Amino acid sequence: GAVVSQHPSWVICKSGTSVKIECRSLDFQATTMFWYRQFPKQSLMLMATSNEGSKATYEQGVEKDKFLINHASLTLSTLTVTSAHPEDSSFYICSARQPTSGRADEQFFGPGTRLTVL
Amino acid sequence: AQSVTQLGSHVSVSEGALVLLRCNYSSSVPPYLFWYVQYPNQGLQLLLKYTTGATLVKGINGFEAEFKKSETSFHLTKPSAHMSDAAEYFCALRAGSYQLTFGKGTKLSVIP
Repeated sequence: GAVVSQHPSWVICKSGTSVKIECRSLDFQATTMFWYRQFPKQSLMLMATSNEGSKATYEQGVEKDKFLINHASLTLSTLTVTSAHPEDSSFYICSARQPTSGRADEQFFGPGTRLTVL
Repeated sequence: AQSVTQLGSHVSVSEGALVLLRCNYSSSVPPYLFWYVQYPNQGLQLLLKYTTGATLVKGINGFEAEFKKSETSFHLTKPSAHMSDAAEYFCALRAGSYQLTFGKGTKLSVIP
């Protein structure tokens, strides 16, 4: 149980275009999802916390107009990178909490999405 | 504010040797501590966690870690390394909210 999927697993796009990444909790309802960014050989940096039905909370330094997060249902959160540029190329990972389980203190991670902006 | 420090960005051990990955933390409130493993181009998999209670926690794949409050440490160990243990390992802390703060990671190489 507690499986999180991401789609796509990798995407290549042209500079100036927008890219949407989906994060789904497959077998549980996730009231809270998190979006992380990971640069090569570096740690995960939290970008934003997404709560179902409300606006996401962005970390300092993260442009909310560039990284649009929508958490419209208890099983789906999306991250849209708008007007992507090469510096947005990174590995994006989402995670989700399963608050009603005995593992409410954990985050379950998706497999990540590799974004390359040409 | 909380922080996590992983000593050694790269650790190499021989197959069958002891694995020791170091993690120190700073937190103003009692922390929950986690160790995750990441294989190339994959997400994170939880190895083990400390919340409350027993300070020696056992995880998957033969790993264990001991929470030492006096040393603010949560080092990860495994008695005998296997080739399949080669990966990136992250120590993470949760203090007061559900957000995680990650260390910079330690890449473990296992030499045959």
